[in-house]
Amino acid sequence: DSGVTQTPKHLITATGQRVTLRCSPRSGDLSVYWYQQSLDQGLQFLIQYYNGEERAKGNILERFSAQQFPDLHSELNLSSLELGDSALYFCASSVGGPANTGELFFGEGSRLTVL
Amino acid sequence: AQRVTQPEKLLSVFKGAPVELKCNYSYSGSPELFWYVQYSRQRLQLLLRHISRESIKGFTADLNKGETSFHLKKPFAQEEDSAMYYCALSGGGTYKYIFGTGTRLKVLA
Repeated sequence: DSGVTQTPKHLITATGQRVTLRCSPRSGDLSVYWYQQSLDQGLQFLIQYYNGEERAKGNILERFSAQQFPDLHSELNLSSLELGDSALYFCASSVGGPANTGELFFGEGSRLTVL
Repeated sequence: AQRVTQPEKLLSVFKGAPVELKCNYSYSGSPELFWYVQYSRQRLQLLLRHISRESIKGFTADLNKGETSFHLKKPFAQEEDSAMYYCALSGGGTYKYIFGTGTRLKVLA
């Protein structure tokens, strides 16, 4: 499958813990986006990377960080977890480029539950 | 600030009835507007984008810069149109790709 893959699919952890979500973009895509989907909140844009560099930042908490590696996969690190961090985290990729107006291809998401 | 507003969380229509999913945006510049759809048990995927001026699965959307709207329309709804629909905005400069809160469309038999 050459689509966007996210791991893990499900994750249950406790408050105060730290987790890492991983995303592999589509083959050839240089841009990776992270979104958080909480109940009734829609898709909240967190951060975008293009070819290893951070390009845009949204409503990402300081407890959260991300990076894109030379092989273009990306990781989203969530630390000091709180109950409110429970959500579905989506990764998307696109070809990228200066205009940033292309189609996004989404992964299936990682469902995080903080108890 | 960039913002996408979808005022309806849920829209129920009968099969064969017209559908209009509302989307309003705020953006200082010339945005690119999109509609994404998520069918049950499938990934979120692009339905259409305004620059293509295309009709996909009978859906169309017209960008109205005066009203800052990008409503999604279909003249005759079908049961298979039942899904979650998201309006999205992107543009040069900030590189952000913003989504609305989504509207769930239910087409009743």
